[in-house]
Amino acid sequence: NAGVTQTPKFQVLKTGQSMTLQCAQDMNHEYMSWYRQDPGMGLRLIHYSVGAGITDQGEVPNGYNVSRSTTEDFPLRLLSAAPSQTSVYFCASSRSGGKIGELFFGEGSRLTVL
Amino acid sequence: AQKITQTQPGMFVQEKEAVTLDCTYDTSDQSYGLFWYKQPSSGEMIFLIYQGSYDEQNATEGRYSLNFQKARKSANLVISASQLGDSAMYFCAMREGSGGGKLIFGQGTELSVKP
Repeated sequence: NAGVTQTPKFQVLKTGQSMTLQCAQDMNHEYMSWYRQDPGMGLRLIHYSVGAGITDQGEVPNGYNVSRSTTEDFPLRLLSAAPSQTSVYFCASSRSGGKIGELFFGEGSRLTVL
Repeated sequence: AQKITQTQPGMFVQEKEAVTLDCTYDTSDQSYGLFWYKQPSSGEMIFLIYQGSYDEQNATEGRYSLNFQKARKSANLVISASQLGDSAMYFCAMREGSGGGKLIFGQGTELSVKP
């Protein structure tokens, strides 16, 4: 019953460092997405993917890169970390049938940039 | 542009009473979906209930119901018989169009249930 798995759960970076948040899902969902959660602002979409090889930007894409080489994996790369990227990051997947758009979330990754 | 608004940053309710969490949305799409998620203090996001724009009946899932008023563009969550474990952040969200993968979230409402 893995569902959506995110790693790492916690990370502290220094300004300018790069890192990758890993996300994997085992439900064969077509859609995957990354959100960031900041206090008082709900969840905001960073990037999403509608299938392997296809990605697009969300509301707050600057400073982040994604790729989707397989259905299962959707890593999020921070190119040069900034304090403004201190946040909790959620990866999510969803399918085309059923409650279209229902997101299955990972447990979240708390990132602090010093 | 699509938007979700939750105007109640915090709410208190007495245990065993019902509570309504407000959500209004703005969209020009005819096909859309509305969701409510719960986020307890442990941080995970838990799906509660879904309402499709073409659904004629209000959605219900156990103690949760969604009061869907399409003309008013509101999708309020009603929790009946509140329990202490209902204390959490609650987010209203909307799917854009008919595809999956992208939801727009409101700012959230923090619900506290008093014994």
